[in-house]
Amino acid sequence: DAKTTQPNSMESNEEEPVHLPCNHSTISGTDYIHWYRQLPSQGPEYVIHGLTSNVNNRMASLAIAEDRKSSTLILHRATLRDAAVYYCIPDGGGTYKYIFGTGTRLKVLA
Amino acid sequence: SAVISQKPSRDICQRGTSLTIQCQVDSQVTMMFWYRQQPGQSLTLIATANQGSEATYESGFVIDKFPISRPNLTFSTLTVSNMSPEDSSIYLCSVAPDTRGWGYTFGSGTRLTVV
Repeated sequence: DAKTTQPNSMESNEEEPVHLPCNHSTISGTDYIHWYRQLPSQGPEYVIHGLTSNVNNRMASLAIAEDRKSSTLILHRATLRDAAVYYCIPDGGGTYKYIFGTGTRLKVLA
Repeated sequence: SAVISQKPSRDICQRGTSLTIQCQVDSQVTMMFWYRQQPGQSLTLIATANQGSEATYESGFVIDKFPISRPNLTFSTLTVSNMSPEDSSIYLCSVAPDTRGWGYTFGSGTRLTVV
């Protein structure tokens, strides 16, 4: 299983962009990279995923390094509702098992 | 994406007793998973529950302690048996999409307190 490394915590001011990094240097060539977030007292929710190319959706953007050993989740304008723990998760190469790392706790300051 | 209903949302149980947690999905799904989240910690995978076969448990989790049923493609249960205070955690079920690479759905969790 690919191991991930994320900062324990980050802070951002409201309305500013946030870049959440993830190192996954042991990822296999066929693992998708998923990002989830867990709001207080809720189960994790899907944010975005990608394989090789950068991806955008209504919630965020995902920038994947060319060597795929790291990725960055980009929240373009952080709001107070984005305060959560963010997890990057390689998808296990077809095993369908998600192994969660420690994640990054994002604090958004008003 | 699938919608999951997980019950109960919380419970307080006496040590030595058992609690069964239910996970109901609004569509048929092949793969379901059970996770534990201890206070202040990340999620730990307990087991994979597939319909028609025994659950596959991760290291550190055994069937006698966490029996799982998967009677059909929309429902699963996790039982926490012979509970001790160390079992106080949030337990979550999750389902995988049928097409690999897309987002998983998680239940809102069952907050269990053992006294």
